[in-house]
Amino acid sequence: DAGVIQSPRHEVTEMGQEVTLRCKPISGHDYLFWYRQTMMRGLELLIYFNNNVPIDDSGMPEDRFSAKMPNASFSTLKIQPSEPRDSAVYFCASMGTEDTEAFFGQGTRLTVV
Amino acid sequence: DQQVKQNSPSLSVQEGRISILNCDYTNSMFDYFLWYKKYPAEGPTFLISISSIKDKNEDGRFTVFLNKSAKHLSLHIVPSQPGDSAVYFCAASGGNDMRFGAGTRLTVKP
Repeated sequence: DAGVIQSPRHEVTEMGQEVTLRCKPISGHDYLFWYRQTMMRGLELLIYFNNNVPIDDSGMPEDRFSAKMPNASFSTLKIQPSEPRDSAVYFCASMGTEDTEAFFGQGTRLTVV
Repeated sequence: DQQVKQNSPSLSVQEGRISILNCDYTNSMFDYFLWYKKYPAEGPTFLISISSIKDKNEDGRFTVFLNKSAKHLSLHIVPSQPGDSAVYFCAASGGNDMRFGAGTRLTVKP
């Protein structure tokens, strides 16, 4: 398996634009997590899904953020409109039901100018 | 709401010495604890873990200690090597969500 795949690796966009980050979890994994890494807060859990259903989205900072998982092999994190303070590295991770650790993608570095 | 805290943003040790990274948590529902290691431009990778029914888990040079009463865990690296230089994240899980600390940047000097 290629592991968790995130795209794009880097995204630079202007303030006010819509940004969509994509994630393909490891095949067979039931859980998918979206995290945001910042210097001040480390890895923050934004939202996680179980069997494509959002379980806890309490970490989503504002209504500008939304996440979907239309099927077991794909998830998106959308920011609309984007703001400079959204600049961070966004990680997707997946985990199987019997697993005890999550496996991370390489992240998407988002820069909003 | 930071349920997992790593109060030391950075740590520098000499090669061959012990590195001790600390982590505190607030939620008593957490029952599994993990350490992840992250190199620049890469995603975090799993390093070592411990269940709440244990107080120590050892894997080669890496040992994790858990003090449930203090809600504290630590990662010991002995001996430290320059290749261990990375950011280390402590994580805690309970009910399948996983919360991370802010990370500690470890620098091992030759």
